[in-house]
Amino acid sequence: GAGVSQSPSNKVTEKGKDVELRCDPISGHTALYWYRQSLGQGLEFLIYFQGNSAPDKSGLPSDRFSAERTGGSVSTLTIQRTQQEDSAVYLCASSLKTGQGEVSYGYTFGSGTRLTVV
Amino acid sequence: SQQGEEDPQALSIQEGENATMNCSYKTSINNLQWYRQNSGRGLVHLILIRSNEREKHSGRLRVTLDTSKKSSSLLITASRAADTASYFCATVTNSGYSTLTFGKGTMLLVSP
Repeated sequence: GAGVSQSPSNKVTEKGKDVELRCDPISGHTALYWYRQSLGQGLEFLIYFQGNSAPDKSGLPSDRFSAERTGGSVSTLTIQRTQQEDSAVYLCASSLKTGQGEVSYGYTFGSGTRLTVV
Repeated sequence: SQQGEEDPQALSIQEGENATMNCSYKTSINNLQWYRQNSGRGLVHLILIRSNEREKHSGRLRVTLDTSKKSSSLLITASRAADTASYFCATVTNSGYSTLTFGKGTMLLVSP
């Protein structure tokens, strides 16, 4: 597609339920990133994919968070047993390439999924 | 962990004035990027400056980088109401996987 697409745009869930957030990156972008942003805060890195593998998942806050990417394209971020502190905007981004020591290109962000845990 | 820190946290100016935002970072970088965010949703990439560059221009945007002081500035000239947004700097270090680390942003309000 022309841009990074995220769904749903808004999600309200009850505490303790599982949620799945989807990201469809720009075709041909091998690098994919998940960030989250709490109200009025900066972006917190969660996980980075290069192709289907995740060489850096250091930002996942707990084992309730997991992500996968299939076919070098669509990625799903899953949050199990959601807690109120998980409420945030979850942003996905993709870029043309990345690699240690390489000058990276800018990221293209999706519009995010606003998750509210009640 | 926070790499970039923007200053000021908030800036309010009149249309036509220039807006200057600053960013400081802690570790050596490969490049530094500026992003704009409207209404708390997706970010838009504005400009990338490499560690061996000192200044870069794009339209009404001017970015400077001082690696000796570990700081960067973003200047928006002749601001417009449509420039109202949050602006973030983000750095790519020379270690790790070249992922971006963002600061907390500067909220810019441009009044007509």
